[in-house]
Amino acid sequence: KNQVEQSPQSLIILEGKNCTLQCNYTVSPFSNLRWYKQDTGRGPVSLTIMTFSENTKSNGRYTATLDADTKQSSLHITASQLSDSASYICVVSVNDYKLSFGAGTTVTVRA
Amino acid sequence: NAGVMQNPRHLVRRRGQEARLRCSPMKGHSHVYWYRQLPEEGLKFMVYLQKENIIDESGMPKERFSAEFPKEGPSILRIQQVVRGDSAAYFCASSPPGMETQYFGPGTRLLVL
Repeated sequence: KNQVEQSPQSLIILEGKNCTLQCNYTVSPFSNLRWYKQDTGRGPVSLTIMTFSENTKSNGRYTATLDADTKQSSLHITASQLSDSASYICVVSVNDYKLSFGAGTTVTVRA
Repeated sequence: NAGVMQNPRHLVRRRGQEARLRCSPMKGHSHVYWYRQLPEEGLKFMVYLQKENIIDESGMPKERFSAEFPKEGPSILRIQQVVRGDSAAYFCASSPPGMETQYFGPGTRLLVL
């Protein structure tokens, strides 16, 4: 069983709308949680990184939240753009180098 | 500063052949990580290397797979006697000493016929 579960598996939204992606994890011990964006045919690119003590972190139109008690995180995309179409991956760090990846949520933004 | 570079981007091999995947880390990065991504699945850790040393290879199959990061030149992930199940995207990431953020390359897509 994957230690990082993401939902939904995919979603389609209209340009300009907002959306929220979910991540539940059971990885332990926990060092930090990251969200990556992966465009088709490319490698993942880091969006945010949060430690145990942080509840929220923003990067432009991307806002990530973390509830370490319930082991849940979310990524909110505001005013979506066509270029936001990608896979968004939740990644939990076990130690300073070993990462546990979710399968990703595929977001498609339509005009 | 060029990003992490991987080549080839696409590689086709027949069963039983060898596959060599190369990764050039970002300038100043001495830590390299290899991941494998099967279709519809998340990336899976394979191996973590520093210059001339394998730090953690717990995610790498015991047979047919090997990795190295020599003092000079790129890191190499070598798969001997490939089988169809080896078909996947292989990503390399790098980081400088003391920094947790890993920077990913574009990946090599291996197809075994």
